[in-house]
Amino acid sequence: QKEVEQDPGPLSVPEGAIVSLNCTYSNSAFQYFMWYRQYSRKGPELLMYTYSSGNKEDGRFTAQVDKSSKYISLFIRDSQPSDSATYLCAMSRNSGNTPLVFGKGTRLSVIA
Amino acid sequence: NAGVMQNPRHLVRRRGQEARLRCSPMKGHSHVYWYRQLPEEGLKFMVYLQKENIIDESGMPKERFSAEFPKEGPSILRIQQVVRGDSAAYFCASSPGMQVAGSYNSPLHFGNGTRLTVT
Repeated sequence: QKEVEQDPGPLSVPEGAIVSLNCTYSNSAFQYFMWYRQYSRKGPELLMYTYSSGNKEDGRFTAQVDKSSKYISLFIRDSQPSDSATYLCAMSRNSGNTPLVFGKGTRLSVIA
Repeated sequence: NAGVMQNPRHLVRRRGQEARLRCSPMKGHSHVYWYRQLPEEGLKFMVYLQKENIIDESGMPKERFSAEFPKEGPSILRIQQVVRGDSAAYFCASSPGMQVAGSYNSPLHFGNGTRLTVT
Protein backbone atom coordinates (compact mmCIF):
# COMPACT_ATOMS: atom_id res chain seq x y z
CA GLN A 1 0.00 0.00 0.00
CA LYS A 2 1.37 3.40 -0.97
CA GLU A 3 1.81 5.94 1.79
CA VAL A 4 -0.40 8.47 0.02
CA GLU A 5 -3.15 7.61 -2.47
CA GLN A 6 -4.73 10.17 -4.76
CA ASP A 7 -7.04 9.59 -7.71
CA PRO A 8 -5.25 11.03 -10.75
CA GLY A 9 -8.50 11.88 -12.56
CA PRO A 10 -8.82 13.64 -14.91
CA LEU A 11 -11.72 15.51 -13.38
CA SER A 12 -13.76 17.81 -15.59
CA VAL A 13 -16.38 20.18 -14.16
CA PRO A 14 -18.39 23.15 -15.46
CA GLU A 15 -17.52 26.65 -14.34
CA GLY A 16 -19.13 27.50 -11.02
CA ALA A 17 -19.23 23.91 -9.76
CA ILE A 18 -17.99 22.82 -6.35
CA VAL A 19 -14.93 20.63 -6.71
CA SER A 20 -13.96 17.98 -4.19
CA LEU A 21 -10.45 16.54 -4.23
CA ASN A 22 -9.16 14.02 -1.73
CA CYS A 23 -6.29 11.84 -0.59
CA THR A 24 -5.99 8.91 1.74
CA TYR A 25 -2.87 7.91 3.58
CA SER A 26 -1.59 5.00 5.59
CA ASN A 27 1.02 6.50 7.92
CA SER A 28 -0.62 7.65 11.15
CA ALA A 29 2.53 9.65 11.99
CA PHE A 30 1.63 12.33 9.43
CA GLN A 31 0.74 15.56 11.21
CA TYR A 32 1.10 18.26 8.56
CA PHE A 33 -1.07 18.29 5.47
CA MET A 34 -0.75 20.49 2.42
CA TRP A 35 -2.29 21.04 -0.96
CA TYR A 36 -0.21 22.25 -3.87
CA ARG A 37 -1.40 23.49 -7.24
CA GLN A 38 0.73 22.82 -10.29
CA TYR A 39 0.09 24.41 -13.65
CA SER A 40 1.41 22.72 -16.76
CA ARG A 41 5.20 23.07 -17.14
CA LYS A 42 5.46 24.89 -13.80
CA GLY A 43 6.56 24.01 -10.31
CA PRO A 44 4.05 23.31 -7.52
CA GLU A 45 2.84 26.24 -5.44
CA LEU A 46 1.51 25.95 -1.91
CA LEU A 47 -2.24 26.44 -1.76
CA MET A 48 -3.36 25.30 1.67
CA TYR A 49 -1.70 24.04 4.82
CA THR A 50 -3.31 22.31 7.81
CA TYR A 51 -1.84 20.94 10.99
CA SER A 52 -3.50 17.84 12.47
CA SER A 53 -7.27 17.43 12.16
CA GLY A 54 -9.71 20.17 11.34
CA ASN A 55 -10.78 22.59 8.66
CA LYS A 56 -9.15 25.63 7.15
CA GLU A 57 -10.80 28.08 4.78
CA ASP A 58 -9.11 30.58 2.48
CA GLY A 59 -11.35 32.34 0.02
CA ARG A 60 -12.91 29.77 -2.29
CA PHE A 61 -10.73 26.97 -0.91
CA THR A 62 -11.42 24.77 2.12
CA ALA A 63 -9.08 22.06 3.37
CA GLN A 64 -10.29 19.32 5.68
CA VAL A 65 -8.30 16.72 7.58
CA ASP A 66 -9.82 13.66 9.25
CA LYS A 67 -6.97 11.87 10.97
CA SER A 68 -9.22 9.14 12.35
CA SER A 69 -10.05 8.10 8.79
CA LYS A 70 -6.66 9.10 7.36
CA TYR A 71 -8.46 11.19 4.79
CA ILE A 72 -7.90 14.74 3.60
CA SER A 73 -9.95 16.86 1.25
CA LEU A 74 -9.75 20.10 -0.69
CA PHE A 75 -12.95 21.84 -1.74
CA ILE A 76 -13.05 24.56 -4.37
CA ARG A 77 -16.20 26.66 -4.50
CA ASP A 78 -17.36 28.60 -7.55
CA SER A 79 -14.68 26.96 -9.66
CA GLN A 80 -13.11 29.03 -12.43
CA PRO A 81 -11.30 28.04 -15.64
CA SER A 82 -8.15 29.46 -14.05
CA ASP A 83 -8.41 26.70 -11.43
CA SER A 84 -7.60 24.16 -14.15
CA ALA A 85 -4.38 22.56 -12.95
CA THR A 86 -3.04 19.49 -11.20
CA TYR A 87 -3.64 19.44 -7.45
CA LEU A 88 -1.16 17.56 -5.30
CA CYS A 89 -1.71 16.60 -1.71
CA ALA A 90 1.38 16.40 0.47
CA MET A 91 2.05 15.46 4.06
CA SER A 92 4.80 15.26 6.58
CA ARG A 93 5.57 13.78 10.00
CA ASN A 94 6.25 15.87 13.06
CA SER A 95 9.97 16.27 12.50
CA GLY A 96 11.32 19.49 11.08
CA ASN A 97 13.70 17.65 8.79
CA THR A 98 11.19 15.18 7.41
CA PRO A 99 10.60 15.59 3.68
CA LEU A 100 7.13 15.90 2.21
CA VAL A 101 5.38 12.84 0.78
CA PHE A 102 3.23 13.71 -2.22
CA GLY A 103 0.23 12.10 -3.82
CA LYS A 104 0.28 11.57 -7.58
CA GLY A 105 -1.91 14.60 -8.19
CA THR A 106 -5.41 15.04 -9.61
CA ARG A 107 -5.75 16.81 -12.93
CA LEU A 108 -8.69 19.22 -12.89
CA SER A 109 -10.29 20.95 -15.86
CA VAL A 110 -12.91 23.65 -15.30
CA ILE A 111 -14.89 24.21 -18.48
CA ALA A 112 -16.27 27.69 -19.22
CA ASN B 1 7.44 30.19 -8.04
CA ALA B 2 9.37 33.43 -8.34
CA GLY B 3 12.76 33.26 -6.71
CA VAL B 4 13.91 29.65 -7.04
CA MET B 5 15.85 29.49 -10.27
CA GLN B 6 16.53 26.23 -12.03
CA ASN B 7 18.53 25.77 -15.18
CA PRO B 8 18.49 24.58 -17.74
CA ARG B 9 14.73 24.32 -18.24
CA HIS B 10 15.19 21.53 -20.74
CA LEU B 11 18.12 19.18 -21.05
CA VAL B 12 18.63 16.45 -23.62
CA ARG B 13 21.30 13.85 -23.06
CA ARG B 14 22.22 10.63 -24.83
CA ARG B 15 22.50 7.44 -22.84
CA GLY B 16 25.81 7.30 -21.00
CA GLN B 17 26.33 11.07 -20.82
CA GLU B 18 26.31 13.15 -17.67
CA ALA B 19 23.54 15.54 -16.66
CA ARG B 20 24.08 18.52 -14.36
CA LEU B 21 21.06 20.33 -13.00
CA ARG B 22 21.45 23.61 -11.17
CA CYS B 23 19.30 25.27 -8.56
CA SER B 24 19.67 28.70 -6.99
CA PRO B 25 17.43 28.98 -3.93
CA MET B 26 15.43 32.02 -2.99
CA LYS B 27 17.41 34.82 -1.44
CA GLY B 28 17.96 34.13 2.23
CA HIS B 29 17.09 30.43 1.96
CA SER B 30 19.72 27.99 3.13
CA HIS B 31 17.81 24.73 2.73
CA VAL B 32 17.43 23.00 -0.62
CA TYR B 33 15.38 19.95 -1.57
CA TRP B 34 15.42 18.01 -4.82
CA TYR B 35 12.36 16.12 -6.04
CA ARG B 36 11.81 14.02 -9.17
CA GLN B 37 8.51 13.81 -11.03
CA LEU B 38 8.09 10.95 -13.43
CA PRO B 39 5.26 11.02 -16.01
CA GLU B 40 1.91 10.33 -14.32
CA GLU B 41 3.66 10.11 -10.94
CA GLY B 42 3.78 12.43 -7.99
CA LEU B 43 6.82 14.22 -6.73
CA LYS B 44 9.34 11.90 -5.11
CA PHE B 45 11.81 13.23 -2.58
CA MET B 46 15.45 12.71 -3.48
CA VAL B 47 17.73 14.73 -1.22
CA TYR B 48 17.76 17.54 1.34
CA LEU B 49 20.81 19.77 1.67
CA GLN B 50 22.00 22.73 3.64
CA LYS B 51 25.09 24.70 2.73
CA GLU B 52 27.98 22.24 2.46
CA ASN B 53 25.98 19.44 4.12
CA ILE B 54 23.77 16.62 2.95
CA ILE B 55 21.08 16.23 5.60
CA ASP B 56 18.91 13.48 4.12
CA GLU B 57 19.63 11.53 0.95
CA SER B 58 17.24 8.68 1.61
CA GLY B 59 15.49 9.21 -1.72
CA MET B 60 18.59 9.23 -3.88
CA PRO B 61 19.38 6.20 -6.03
CA LYS B 62 22.49 4.53 -4.67
CA GLU B 63 24.45 4.79 -7.89
CA ARG B 64 25.07 7.49 -10.50
CA PHE B 65 23.27 10.27 -8.57
CA SER B 66 24.93 12.86 -6.40
CA ALA B 67 24.08 16.30 -5.05
CA GLU B 68 25.93 19.18 -3.51
CA PHE B 69 25.20 22.63 -2.17
CA PRO B 70 28.51 24.47 -1.86
CA LYS B 71 29.19 27.48 0.31
CA GLU B 72 29.08 29.66 -2.80
CA GLY B 73 26.98 29.04 -5.86
CA PRO B 74 23.96 26.96 -6.73
CA SER B 75 23.03 23.47 -5.65
CA ILE B 76 23.92 20.86 -8.25
CA LEU B 77 22.20 17.56 -8.93
CA ARG B 78 24.50 15.36 -10.97
CA ILE B 79 23.48 12.23 -12.83
CA GLN B 80 26.27 10.18 -14.32
CA GLN B 81 25.87 7.73 -17.20
CA VAL B 82 22.23 8.62 -17.74
CA VAL B 83 19.73 5.97 -18.81
CA ARG B 84 16.29 6.37 -20.41
CA GLY B 85 14.63 5.78 -17.05
CA ASP B 86 16.20 8.99 -15.75
CA SER B 87 13.95 11.01 -18.08
CA ALA B 88 11.78 13.09 -15.76
CA ALA B 89 11.15 16.56 -14.43
CA TYR B 90 13.51 17.45 -11.60
CA PHE B 91 12.30 20.09 -9.19
CA CYS B 92 14.26 22.01 -6.65
CA ALA B 93 12.65 23.67 -3.64
CA SER B 94 14.06 25.90 -0.96
CA SER B 95 13.01 26.99 2.49
CA PRO B 96 14.40 29.44 5.01
CA GLY B 97 14.66 27.24 8.05
CA MET B 98 14.40 23.96 9.83
CA GLN B 99 10.73 24.08 10.68
CA VAL B 100 8.45 21.61 9.00
CA ALA B 101 9.12 22.07 5.33
CA GLY B 102 5.97 23.03 3.53
CA SER B 103 4.31 24.79 6.44
CA TYR B 104 3.41 28.42 6.37
CA ASN B 105 6.14 28.95 8.95
CA SER B 106 8.69 27.58 6.55
CA PRO B 107 7.03 27.19 3.18
CA LEU B 108 8.68 25.25 0.43
CA HIS B 109 9.13 27.34 -2.69
CA PHE B 110 9.56 25.31 -5.85
CA GLY B 111 11.35 26.23 -9.03
CA ASN B 112 9.85 25.48 -12.43
CA GLY B 113 11.96 22.39 -12.86
CA THR B 114 14.42 20.95 -15.34
CA ARG B 115 12.98 18.50 -17.83
CA LEU B 116 15.57 15.88 -18.62
CA THR B 117 15.14 13.76 -21.71
CA VAL B 118 17.51 10.86 -22.29
CA THR B 119 17.62 9.62 -25.87
